[in-house]
Amino acid sequence: DIQMTQSPSSLSASFGDRLNITCRASQNIRGYLNWYQQKPGKAPKVLNFDASSLQSGFSLRFSASGSGTDFTLAITSLQPEDFGTYYCQQTYGSPWTFGQGTTVEIK
Amino acid sequence: QVQLQESGPGLVKPSQSLSLTCSVTNGSIGSGMYFWTWIRQLPGKGLEWIGYVGYSGSTNYNPSLKSRVTISADTSKNQFSLMFTSVTAADTAMYYCARESRDGFHYRLDIWGQGTMVTVSP
Repeated sequence: DIQMTQSPSSLSASFGDRLNITCRASQNIRGYLNWYQQKPGKAPKVLNFDASSLQSGFSLRFSASGSGTDFTLAITSLQPEDFGTYYCQQTYGSPWTFGQGTTVEIK
Repeated sequence: QVQLQESGPGLVKPSQSLSLTCSVTNGSIGSGMYFWTWIRQLPGKGLEWIGYVGYSGSTNYNPSLKSRVTISADTSKNQFSLMFTSVTAADTAMYYCARESRDGFHYRLDIWGQGTMVTVSP
C-alpha cells in the first residue's frame, strides 16, 4: 500500500494567518491526490482534487499544489470556519489511502 | 443533488456479521461513471477505504479487509450494501458510504453520507 504522511498532525493558528499542510507519499503518485476537510461530527468533504483543482463551494483562500511525492494545501487568511481536520488521499494505486490527518485549531 | 444515507444496526456482537445499507436519492446508482464506496473511521483515528461497487457491478476491496468484506448493489432499490463478517472490537468505527466520481484517471469522493456508528461489543 502507498503510505501517506501528513505534517503537522495538528496546529493552532490565528484568524488571518496563512498556513501550510504537507502530505508526502511513500512513492510517486504523480498528481493523483485529493484533500478533504472534516468538521467534528460530520462527514469529510472533498476540498481539492487532482492535487490542485478546487471543489466548488470552497473559498479561493484554499489552494493545493504538488506532484510526485510532495504535496501542499495552503490556506490564506485563516477564517473561523476553517477549523477542522484535513486529510489527503491518494488515488494512484489501489487501495486508496489517506493521510493521518491534520487538525487545525483556531487560537 | 444526490444524497446518500447509511442505515444498519448500531451494535453488533463479536464474531457476528455486520450489514449496512446506503440508500441513494436524486440519482441512479446504475447510471453514470460512479463507484459506490464504503469508508470507515476508527474512533479518534483517520480514514480507511474499504472498497467499492461500480456502476457495472465490478468490485474492488482493500486487501487488508478483503477476506471479510462484500459490497453489492441493488439497482431496483437504488441501494448498495456492505457485509462484514467475523467482526471484532477492532471493527468499531463510524462507517460512511460515498460516491466516487471519475474524470479520466482522476477520482474523488465527492458525495458522502452522514455516517453511521457501529459498535462491536458483547
